[in-house]
Amino acid sequence: EADIYQTPRYLVIGTGKKITLECSQTMGHDKMYWYQQDPGMELHLIHYSYGVNSTEKGDLSSESTVSRIRTEHFPLTLESARPSHTSQYLCASSPLDFNSPLHFGNGTRLTVT
Amino acid sequence: GQNIDQPTEMTATEGAIVQINCTYQTSGFNGLFWYQQHAGEAPTFLSYNVLDGLEEKGRFSSFLSRSKGYSYLLLKELQMKDSASYLCAVRSSGGYQKVTFGTGTKLQVIP
Repeated sequence: EADIYQTPRYLVIGTGKKITLECSQTMGHDKMYWYQQDPGMELHLIHYSYGVNSTEKGDLSSESTVSRIRTEHFPLTLESARPSHTSQYLCASSPLDFNSPLHFGNGTRLTVT
Repeated sequence: GQNIDQPTEMTATEGAIVQINCTYQTSGFNGLFWYQQHAGEAPTFLSYNVLDGLEEKGRFSSFLSRSKGYSYLLLKELQMKDSASYLCAVRSSGGYQKVTFGTGTKLQVIP
């Protein structure tokens, strides 16, 4: 079982602030993902990474950015938060093995006022 | 691109059997996952199919037909705690093997 951690669990912040959502995994997984999910709605892939120094944009356009300097760490940054960014952000990881499932963190519920 | 369709909501009775269907269209297929997601929580992995046929895991079974772009999740002996959303997700066969989720089926189990 993968261990994947997201902090903070909840974040309420004012418009215009810069924020970074943290995601770390301890299983050495090469692939990592960020999904965005509004309450009761589907998960949308916003970023993914195949390994260190590899990042790609997902299917849903997002103003956030990501970095992958270390295998275990995949932070997501919003330079200037807006109310439209209010959502739940879920981080996931998986090994390179193609039949391995994604393991999700508990998510960060972001509210921008 | 990928297109994944599931029913939005289903209701079933405690102790019964329910089948949740998923159809997909994808430019390259490399496996289908089923996840369970309780409200406000992260998705948890239930099953994986890459070859045609049925995979059984206790009360949960999942079926795949690649030629029809079709899968279903079968839940037996339903319990109240099975009330959750069930997400169908497809992994593409491209270099980055993205995993795309369907909208999910919200299952309500009633006494």
